Amino acid sequence: NAGVTQTPKFQVLKTGQSMTLQCAQDMNHNSMYWYRQDPGMGLRLIYYSASEGTTDKGEVPNGYNVSRLNKREFSLRLESAAPSQTSVYFCASSESGGRITGELFFGEGSRLTVL
Amino acid sequence: QKEVEQNSGPLSVPEGAIASLNCTYSDRVSQSFFWYRQYSGKSPELIMSIYSNGDKEDGRFTAQLNKASQYVSLLIRDSQPSDSATYLCAVRGKLIFGQGTELSVKP
Repeated sequence: NAGVTQTPKFQVLKTGQSMTLQCAQDMNHNSMYWYRQDPGMGLRLIYYSASEGTTDKGEVPNGYNVSRLNKREFSLRLESAAPSQTSVYFCASSESGGRITGELFFGEGSRLTVL
Repeated sequence: QKEVEQNSGPLSVPEGAIASLNCTYSDRVSQSFFWYRQYSGKSPELIMSIYSNGDKEDGRFTAQLNKASQYVSLLIRDSQPSDSATYLCAVRGKLIFGQGTELSVKP
């Protein structure tokens, strides 16, 4: 059982380049999330999708776009990468939008460096 | 004021001691609270959840919630070096995390 799978695990970009982080879960969860983690900042919510077909902004959505492709997949796109977007990105999923259990299942993370 | 605040630490305790981690939150209507543990270079994992005022115990871990004072804490009894990690407090509603407290348990 793979759980939440993120690709790529590592990526180096130049300022202005674009890229997409892919996330897929095989737990039949309804909700999916993208967080970024910077030293001393904890986890900050970028975007989330409470259910297939819906997406909403989190705390730090600027510079990002998302697509909930189907129930399994939720991608995060950086259209024009900036050094401030250097971070570790985590995708997570939860069964019911977290309203009952609040248990998020995380992927292994994607370490992005923007030069 | 940040929505969820934790002492960033690091918090250092000797092996066998009680480690006390604290978290305060600003939204009075928050109903669900969670503690995640994150080992260095790894992803967070849920260790405790608490919804009602009072204490909830699970093995060596005890979560304490005081909604009137808007704080939630995590106690780790008989701390072990394997407990050394960053502990993240999370509050439901907007799935907001605190900045995390780094715990170091010294043998």
